[in-house]
Amino acid sequence: DGGITQSPKYLFRKEGQNVTLSCEQNLNHDAMYWYRQDPGQGLRLIYYSQIVNDFQKGDIAEGYSVSREKKESFPLTVTSAQKNPTAFYLCASSLRDRGFSPLHFGNGTRLTVT
Amino acid sequence: AQTVTQSQPEMSVQEAETVTLSCTYDTSESDYYLFWYKQPPSRQMILVIRQEAYKQQNATENRFSVNFQKAAKSFSLKISDSQLGDAAMYFCAYRIRTSGTYKYIFGTGTRLKVLA
Repeated sequence: DGGITQSPKYLFRKEGQNVTLSCEQNLNHDAMYWYRQDPGQGLRLIYYSQIVNDFQKGDIAEGYSVSREKKESFPLTVTSAQKNPTAFYLCASSLRDRGFSPLHFGNGTRLTVT
Repeated sequence: AQTVTQSQPEMSVQEAETVTLSCTYDTSESDYYLFWYKQPPSRQMILVIRQEAYKQQNATENRFSVNFQKAAKSFSLKISDSQLGDAAMYFCAYRIRTSGTYKYIFGTGTRLKVLA
């Protein structure tokens, strides 16, 4: 079955370390997105990509980096520059040129930095 | 500014009753699409219903329907015959095209409790 796979489900890191969250999709979607979810703040857009080798900053990109070398993959790196990295991270994808296309989400990664 | 406002952080409804969750948004775009997502305790995001902004007819999916007021930029979700399984966080969102790319903007969510 087609879907989006985020791994791992839980991730623990020490402060000052970079960490990479994986996101893979087999839906043949062009567009992929990373969101951060904190209590009371909903989903906030970190980065998004419409095509391979191209991506745009979202509303809270500082302290994060991404790459899009393959259509299926959109990993997110949380760098040591991110001041408050502990959060729930959601990856999503959609068809690019169909406006009615909803976002399809992965199951999320809970990152805890101590 | 591109924002989505859900003014009700938490709502409660009695089982089998009807509840309406409110959502307003702000965009200067004329072409956009609106969505409601449900996030149960599993934290999996599930699409509930969607609406094309150029359509006047309100979308309906079984017990879920919307009241779309384009001029007021309002997109409320009505849940009829509420069930215990409807208990979840509900997020309103819209998709816009900006500078040739598509973005989805989400609200802060409403937590719905269903009382037996």
